[in-house]
Amino acid sequence: GAVVSQHPSWVICKSGTSVKIECRSLDFQATTMFWYRQFPKQSLMLMATSNEGSKATYEQGVEKDKFLINHASLTLSTLTVTSAHPEDSSFYICSALPGTGSGNTIYFGEGSWLTVV
Amino acid sequence: AQSVTQLGSHVSVSEGALVLLRCNYSSSVPPYLFWYVQYPNQGLQLLLKYTSAATLVKGINGFEAEFKKSETSFHLTKPSAHMSDAAEYFCAVMGGNEKLTFGTGTRLTIIP
Repeated sequence: GAVVSQHPSWVICKSGTSVKIECRSLDFQATTMFWYRQFPKQSLMLMATSNEGSKATYEQGVEKDKFLINHASLTLSTLTVTSAHPEDSSFYICSALPGTGSGNTIYFGEGSWLTVV
Repeated sequence: AQSVTQLGSHVSVSEGALVLLRCNYSSSVPPYLFWYVQYPNQGLQLLLKYTSAATLVKGINGFEAEFKKSETSFHLTKPSAHMSDAAEYFCAVMGGNEKLTFGTGTRLTIIP
C-alpha cells in the first residue's frame, strides 16, 4: 500500500522555540495533504488542508500564524509550530490523498509526538 | 455536512468471540465511509472503505463492514477476535471536499 512518512516521530523543544514536522508521500504524488492533531485518548481534529503550490486552508479556530504549513512539492508538506508552548504538546498526524476524486483512500503518516517543555 | 457517531467508547470481547463496533453516519450526499485502526503511538491504518460499490466490504485482518442505507450504519465486524486486534478503531466519512470527519473512536480490548 501507499506509504506516508513523518519525521521526526518524537521531538522535545523548549517553550518559545519553533519546531518543524515533515510529511512525505513516499510512493505517490499528493496534491492534497491534511494535518491533524490528536489529544490523548481522543479523536483526530483536522487542523488544515495543504495543497501543493497554494496556501493552506485552516479549520476554524486554528491559528495560521502559529501553525505554518508549507506544501512545497507533490511529495512533501511541512508543519511548523512557531513559538511553541506547553499546550501545543500533542500528537500530530498528517495524511495524503493520491490524485483527486472523492472516495480515494487517504493514507496516514505514523504521527509525531511533540512535547514542549 | 457529514458526521459519524460511534456507539461505545470501549468494547471488550473475549478472544475468539465476535467483534462488533458500531458506526452511524449522517451525510447530505452519498457517503464514502472508512474504518481505520490505530495502534498505540502510531498513525492510522486503513481497514476498509465503502465507495458505493458492494454494500458488504471486506478489509484486512479479517474485518468486514456492511453499509446499510436504511439504517445509516456502517458497523465493523470480525467473526473471531484475536489478541492482536486490541487497538483504537475510528469510523470516518468523507465529504465532497475530500476531508475526512472522524468519529470519537472505540477502544477494543481483547480478553484472553
